[in-house]
Amino acid sequence: DTGVSQDPRHKITKRGQNVTFRCDPISEHNRLYWYRQTLGQGPEFLTYFQNEAQLEKSRLLSDRFSAERPKGSFSTLEIQRTEQGDSAMYLCASSRRTSGVNEQYFGPGTRLTVT
Amino acid sequence: SQKIEQNSEALNIQEGKTATLTCNYTNYSPAYLQWYRQDPGRGPVFLLLIRENEKEKRKERLKVTFDTTLKQSLFHITASQPADSATYLCALDPQGGGFKTIFGAGTRLFVKA
Repeated sequence: DTGVSQDPRHKITKRGQNVTFRCDPISEHNRLYWYRQTLGQGPEFLTYFQNEAQLEKSRLLSDRFSAERPKGSFSTLEIQRTEQGDSAMYLCASSRRTSGVNEQYFGPGTRLTVT
Repeated sequence: SQKIEQNSEALNIQEGKTATLTCNYTNYSPAYLQWYRQDPGRGPVFLLLIRENEKEKRKERLKVTFDTTLKQSLFHITASQPADSATYLCALDPQGGGFKTIFGAGTRLFVKA
């Protein structure tokens, strides 16, 4: 399977704990995105990497959130001191720039529940 | 403020009919607009992209129009089937360059057999 994969698929954690999610993009894609999605809403942009450089970051991404893509391949998203409001689906997507457009391929998501 | 609006009410249609979904945006001037399909519990799947200089784009039973004057895109599914039931999201790149994508909330489509 050459699609985008995410791990874990589900995570239940207690408020105040730290969690880390992993995304493996399609191998030849140099662009990687993280989104958050809550019920009834569209994906909400969090951050963007081109290769290993984090080039765009939403102001929604508070100091408790950090993302890395150390070698320009897989990426991790960490949430520190989780809050109940962090409960959501976290989606990763990757793309390969073609003629300036941005067709994105999404992973299955990690569903986070903070109790 | 910048907004993307899709009809928040679900669209119910009979099999075989044409479904038309609307995406309106304000205070953006996107170079292109995209449509995605999302099934429950899964990530969105890319369907179509239409550029600002294209009035219409087709792919099999799908058709997208893009009116930059009205700031609106219409998404049509002809000869709809129950398997087309899903949420359809429109998305645009507000800055160009592919650094960021803004999604609408989506419209849920139900096709009855």
